[in-house]
Amino acid sequence: KAGVTQTPRYLIKTRGQQVTLSCSPISGHRSVSWYQQTPGQGLQFLFEYFSETQRNKGNFPGRFSGRQFSNSRSEMNVSTLELGDSALYLCASSFYPLREQYFGPGTRLTVT
Amino acid sequence: KNEVEQSPQNLTAQEGEFITINCSYSVGISALHWLQQHPGGGIVSLFMLSSGKKKHGRLIATINIQEKHSSLHITASHPRDSAVYICAVGGSGGGADGLTFGKGTHLIIQP
Repeated sequence: KAGVTQTPRYLIKTRGQQVTLSCSPISGHRSVSWYQQTPGQGLQFLFEYFSETQRNKGNFPGRFSGRQFSNSRSEMNVSTLELGDSALYLCASSFYPLREQYFGPGTRLTVT
Repeated sequence: KNEVEQSPQNLTAQEGEFITINCSYSVGISALHWLQQHPGGGIVSLFMLSSGKKKHGRLIATINIQEKHSSLHITASHPRDSAVYICAVGGSGGGADGLTFGKGTHLIIQP
């Protein structure tokens, strides 16, 4: 069974731009969660989607948004990028919310 | 908001030693996760616990719901166990009910 895939793996953007990251969950998994990892803050929860609905959202500004499609693939978008948005963005899928999560390799975003 | 504390932050041990990593949290949860992260970023889920004890190979995870505490044990440690081990809790309720993570334990096993 193929694992969770994330694209792109690496991305360099400049301040003020926007970015869209993509996540394809394991086949059959309907829940996708997104996380941000930085050296200073560690891992932080961004949002969780289940069956195309956002179930939960972490404490991040409105510049961070996401969506989930009918095939369970998910995208997250960050608008008006700031230097502090430089991070590893991880998505994880599970069959159902609050179940064992399977993580993707992450997208490393650098904002210059 | 749940507070998750892990100890120790850093641990260096010799190959073969018995390793214990601890995790405490402040608010009742529905499940606790132990994750492993190797250099380069990839995260692997080791265990998801809601009560009792689970074992997988040389890894053992326990949780005490009343004391809000969990431990991850590694028996017969090996250099390939060197990684960051992260505790995460979920299902605390409230508006942001995603996982809350500890800061991680950096484990180095020397040959």
